[in-house]
Amino acid sequence: NAGVTQTPKFQVLKTGQSMTLQCAQDMNHEYMSWYRQDPGMGLRLIHYSVGAGITDQGEVPNGYNVSRSTTEDFPLRLLSAAPSQTSVYFCASTQSLGPYGYTFGSGTRLTVV
Amino acid sequence: KQEVTQIPAALSVPEGENLVLNCSFTDSAIYNLQWFRQDPGKGLTSLLLIQSSQREQTSGRLNASLDKSSGRSTLYIAASQPGDSATYLCAILTGNQFYFGTGTSLTVIP
Repeated sequence: NAGVTQTPKFQVLKTGQSMTLQCAQDMNHEYMSWYRQDPGMGLRLIHYSVGAGITDQGEVPNGYNVSRSTTEDFPLRLLSAAPSQTSVYFCASTQSLGPYGYTFGSGTRLTVV
Repeated sequence: KQEVTQIPAALSVPEGENLVLNCSFTDSAIYNLQWFRQDPGKGLTSLLLIQSSQREQTSGRLNASLDKSSGRSTLYIAASQPGDSATYLCAILTGNQFYFGTGTSLTVIP
């Protein structure tokens, strides 16, 4: 089982550039989410989705867009990158909102210069 | 909003010692609580999942307990080893979100 796959693992962007972080899971999980992790700040929720076609904002959604056209994929788009978006990004999924565990991808380390 | 606190923020122990990590939360209406381990520069690895109806879970040298009424969970590590050095995070599913503590950074000294 591949679990949750994130690509790329590392990325350097220039301020103002756009890019998409990819997240795919092969476990038929309904719930998927994106977090950013910064030193001293812990994990902060950016966006989440409870199923295909349904997305919602988390704690820090500004500057990020998401869509969920399939159960498997949940891409995160940075429309105009800013240095404040330099962070490590994690995608996670779970079967549904219930007594099920959360599975994380290995992360994408993004630097915006 | 669920608030999750982990104390201590950092812990250093000699090899072989038993230790307890703490996680407290403010809203007892939870689906589950999960303990993770994170090594430097790496992702989160699940250690133990405790469902809302359960009181504890065990895996090898790890034992996690859950007391919803007091808003507390503990992760007990027996006979610690240098390989246990990592940051330990607790995550709580409440409503439609997982809420994370900021973690306890554990160093086990050989």
